[in-house]
Amino acid sequence: NAGVTQTPKFQVLKTGQSMTLQCAQDMNHNSMYWYRQDPGMGLRLIYYSASEGTTDKGEVPNGYNVSRLNKREFSLRLESAAPSQTSVYFCASSQTSFEQYFGPGTRLTVT
Amino acid sequence: DQQVKQNSPSLSVQEGRISILNCDYTNSMFDYFLWYKKYPAEGPTFLISISSIKDKNEDGRFTVFLNKSAKHLSLHIVPSQPGDSAVYFCAASAPNDYKLSFGAGTTVTVRA
Repeated sequence: NAGVTQTPKFQVLKTGQSMTLQCAQDMNHNSMYWYRQDPGMGLRLIYYSASEGTTDKGEVPNGYNVSRLNKREFSLRLESAAPSQTSVYFCASSQTSFEQYFGPGTRLTVT
Repeated sequence: DQQVKQNSPSLSVQEGRISILNCDYTNSMFDYFLWYKKYPAEGPTFLISISSIKDKNEDGRFTVFLNKSAKHLSLHIVPSQPGDSAVYFCAASAPNDYKLSFGAGTTVTVRA
């Protein structure tokens, strides 16, 4: 039982490049989330998926897209990376709206 | 505008003493509150929670207090141990809302 897994762990991109962050959970949770963590800002919600087949914007969605591929997988795509997207990205899942389980994070640097 | 605020970025406490972490919120619709703990290079892990129908919840060394009138909650860790050194995030949720709003976090350092 791996919980929530994220790939890659680290990534360096040049401005304008694109990439997809992958997330998978094996807890049969309905809801999945993408956050970014920046110093002094806490965790800010980018996008979430309340259930398979639905996605909604969070607090900071600009510059990102998401896909809920199936119940297990929720990916985050940066179409044209910008230095402002340098951050640590966390995926999370939950069965209820309360306790969320987080993956280990992806550290992204955009130069 | 951040709806959950942790105004103390850091806290240093001696091993064996009490750690008190504070959190304020502005959204009166919030009715469920959680604390998460985060070690470096790991994801946050759930620590303890409290519903707005209670004013206290205890789990071992960890106790969360909620003061709804002041829109304030606190986390007490007694006694503090070296393994408690981490970043602690306060989070809140409104009814029927899938989203959590997080504070900026407080870094706790427990000194031997």
